[in-house]
Amino acid sequence: EAQVTQNPRYLITVTGKKLTVTCSQNMNHEYMSWYRQDPGLGLRQIYYSMNVEVTDKGDVPEGYKVSRKEKRNFPLILESPSPNQTSLYFCASSQDRGPGYTEAFFGQGTRLTVV
Amino acid sequence: SQKIEQNSEALNIQEGKTATLTCNYTNYSPAYLQWYRQDPGRGPVFLLLIRENEKEKRKERLKVTFDTTLKQSLFHITASQPADSATYLCALRTNAGKSTFGDGTTLTVKP
Repeated sequence: EAQVTQNPRYLITVTGKKLTVTCSQNMNHEYMSWYRQDPGLGLRQIYYSMNVEVTDKGDVPEGYKVSRKEKRNFPLILESPSPNQTSLYFCASSQDRGPGYTEAFFGQGTRLTVV
Repeated sequence: SQKIEQNSEALNIQEGKTATLTCNYTNYSPAYLQWYRQDPGRGPVFLLLIRENEKEKRKERLKVTFDTTLKQSLFHITASQPADSATYLCALRTNAGKSTFGDGTTLTVKP
């Protein structure tokens, strides 16, 4: 089954404690992206990756890091989480641009609370 | 700065009618425009994609139009059903990979 898997689904952590949210896709997609969703602000892109070892900043990259060492995985790293990073996070993947570009598949979301 | 506006935060219609949702954008040259459905607590689910050189796309009861001159997309659901009640998001994506979502329109279809 084609899917994007995020872990964990729920996480409560304390300010400053480094954490990683994992994202894995089984569709051999080139493109992967991270978003955060906040009430009244919609979905905002954090980082995206067009392929292995290629990453770029989205609209809200501050306080986040990503890596793309292999095609299927795109972890989101919060080196020193702060309460303003409390949010619902989504990972997505899709075939790259061009005629092959199709739908984006989203993960089930990670609800992060930083206290 | 780039901006996407989905007109009307909420839309209420009667079952069987056509729902029309609007997405307007400024300061953007998208390669693709997509429409997604999102249910509470779930990730967005892709519905339709339309490219910059396409005017209209259809899929079953769904229709999307894309006017790059007006910088507007219209999303239609014909013969709407209560099961169509959800939040609908439009999203623009450039060839470089940057993606921007609208805030969404919450559609309620009443029986």
